Amino acid sequence: AQSVTQLDSQVPVFEEAPVELRCNYSSSVSVYLFWYVQYPNQGLQLLLKYLSGSTLVKGINGFEAEFNKSQTSFHLRKPSVHISDTAEYFCAVRTNTGNQFYFGTGTSLTVIP
Amino acid sequence: DTAVSQTPKYLVTQMGNDKSIKCEQNLGHDTMYWYKQDSKKFLKIMFSYNNKELIINETVPNRFSPKSPDKAHLNLHINSLELGDSAVYFCASSRGQMNTEAFFGQGTRLTVV
Repeated sequence: AQSVTQLDSQVPVFEEAPVELRCNYSSSVSVYLFWYVQYPNQGLQLLLKYLSGSTLVKGINGFEAEFNKSQTSFHLRKPSVHISDTAEYFCAVRTNTGNQFYFGTGTSLTVIP
Repeated sequence: DTAVSQTPKYLVTQMGNDKSIKCEQNLGHDTMYWYKQDSKKFLKIMFSYNNKELIINETVPNRFSPKSPDKAHLNLHINSLELGDSAVYFCASSRGQMNTEAFFGQGTRLTVV
């Protein structure tokens, strides 16, 4: 069975500071990895994805993530956050054997002025 | 030109009523999903259809019935609404290939009073 763990449910960070949101997954088969962002009262929007190739992937709004197969992690990072980055962030995996997306429980990022 | 659209965006109804939420995607995807997001932001898969065929049916009360008239539409009908059904319901779609992301609608906030 697959599972996704986001250890930090809430992350407060000051504006212009760096941030890392952690994501670990468990799967017995190969996976594809995604980070989504949800702004208040909106749907989920794709930030970035890892499908294959380079383990460092860049996404929208200055975010990047690194796939680490040995640690089964896919942590999201941004070197300098803005107020507008305040949102809920979800890590998700999709296996190469099924149609389902497995989501973590989300991390609420709050950027403090 | 919204990719995945849901209607209505807000739905307030009394206990015991029957209601439907409609979802349409214009991306040409062959897989569609319904997710429920509770008050803690946790996303739970409810159903998934591939080319109008039900492929994922998680443990959901049988008061919930999905209907897919064609592969561009996946509607959700809920009978005998209960207070605990209050949540945000998201429709999503993806291509059948495993190395692709899901696209989400804006959500339907259902409030049962």
